[in-house]
Amino acid sequence: NAGVMQNPRHLVRRRGQEARLRCSPMKGHSHVYWYRQLPEEGLKFMVYLQKENIIDESGMPKERFSAEFPKEGPSILRIQQVVRGDSAAYFCASSPRGRGPFQETQYFGPGTRLLVL
Amino acid sequence: KNEVEQSPQNLTAQEGEFITINCSYSVGISALHWLQQHPGGGIVSLFMLSSGKKKHGRLIATINIQEKHSSLHITASHPRDSAVYICAATGGGNKLTFGTGTQLKVEL
Repeated sequence: NAGVMQNPRHLVRRRGQEARLRCSPMKGHSHVYWYRQLPEEGLKFMVYLQKENIIDESGMPKERFSAEFPKEGPSILRIQQVVRGDSAAYFCASSPRGRGPFQETQYFGPGTRLLVL
Repeated sequence: KNEVEQSPQNLTAQEGEFITINCSYSVGISALHWLQQHPGGGIVSLFMLSSGKKKHGRLIATINIQEKHSSLHITASHPRDSAVYICAATGGGNKLTFGTGTQLKVEL
């Protein structure tokens, strides 16, 4: 049973380009969470999604960031017109349908390290 | 002020020592998570607990709801335990709030 997959593992973009980060949850998991870890800072919640629904996006920056989890395929975190301050590690986690969000063990992917030049 | 505070921020121990990492939170929570982040960056969920105590191998996690405090203990520590240990709480708004982590280094 493969774990949570994220790709790419490393992504380099120039200012103004778009970054697309992909996350495939563990088989059978229907909850996906995205977190950001800025250099020398702790993890911060960004968004929580279920299939075809954004449940909680209170941690997402208001502009340039969007996330989706389509019926088929991986969850995508999209950052438009990247700036240097977007450089960070972006982690995805998943959990099974069960007792409710954030009240189950979350399984983390290896992260995508985004570097904006 | 962060709603989840960890101490110490950095900890160096000798192999075999008993280690305790503390986590205090200021909000009502429904669950408390302990995570381990390896030097390579990967994150592993160690425990999720809402009361009492859990044990897995040499790791023990406890929580005191009344005192809003949780501890992670490592018995017979080993250099491979060297990592960042992160406490996270599911609280108001039903999302995870993370502590800043404890950097643990276990030396031979």
